[in-house]
Amino acid sequence: AQSVTQLDSHVSVSEGTPVLLRCNYSSSYSPSLFWYVQHPNKGLQLLLKYTSAATLVKGINGFEAEFKKSETSFHLTKPSAHMSDAAEYFCVVRTLVGYSTLTFGKGTMLLVSP
Amino acid sequence: ETGVTQSPTHLIKTRGQQVTLRCSSQSGHNTVSWYQQALGQGPQFIFQYYREEENGRGNFPPRFSGLQFPNYSSELNVNALELDDSALYLCASSFENPNIPEQFFGPGTRLTVL
Repeated sequence: AQSVTQLDSHVSVSEGTPVLLRCNYSSSYSPSLFWYVQHPNKGLQLLLKYTSAATLVKGINGFEAEFKKSETSFHLTKPSAHMSDAAEYFCVVRTLVGYSTLTFGKGTMLLVSP
Repeated sequence: ETGVTQSPTHLIKTRGQQVTLRCSSQSGHNTVSWYQQALGQGPQFIFQYYREEENGRGNFPPRFSGLQFPNYSSELNVNALELDDSALYLCASSFENPNIPEQFFGPGTRLTVL
């Protein structure tokens, strides 16, 4: 079965400093991986996706993630945090069981202080 | 191209009642999935509809049921509401295409069961 583990429930950074949100995955086949962001009282927005092309994936708002098969990781990074980045971030793996669905991690809350 | 919309935004019901939530898929998408997001958790897959038929279900009881219409809009019905059904219900639309694995989410319906 496919699963993801987000290693931190909360991450706190100062505005202008780098962001690192960690995710490990488990998959019996080559996975499709995603990062989604959820701002308070909002739905989920796709930040970026990995689908077995380039291992370094660039997304919206300056975020990027690197797929590392040897480490089974898909960590999300951003060089410089902005106050508007404060939100909950979900690492997600596509699960194929005759149909395609998404399996979510438990989420990482990113807090950005001025 | 319009995005995924959901109605209502908020809903309050009492235990034992029935509820219907509605979703309008993104233009051109033929697959709709429903997720339940309890407070502080990642979304959990409820079921998926493709061409008006249920083609996948997560670990939810039969009192959770759905419909998909020819215009690809969708409903989620929950009978005999329980307190634990209080959650954000998310609808996501997508293509049934392995090369386009991402799903696009609506803003959600916040259901409170008293």
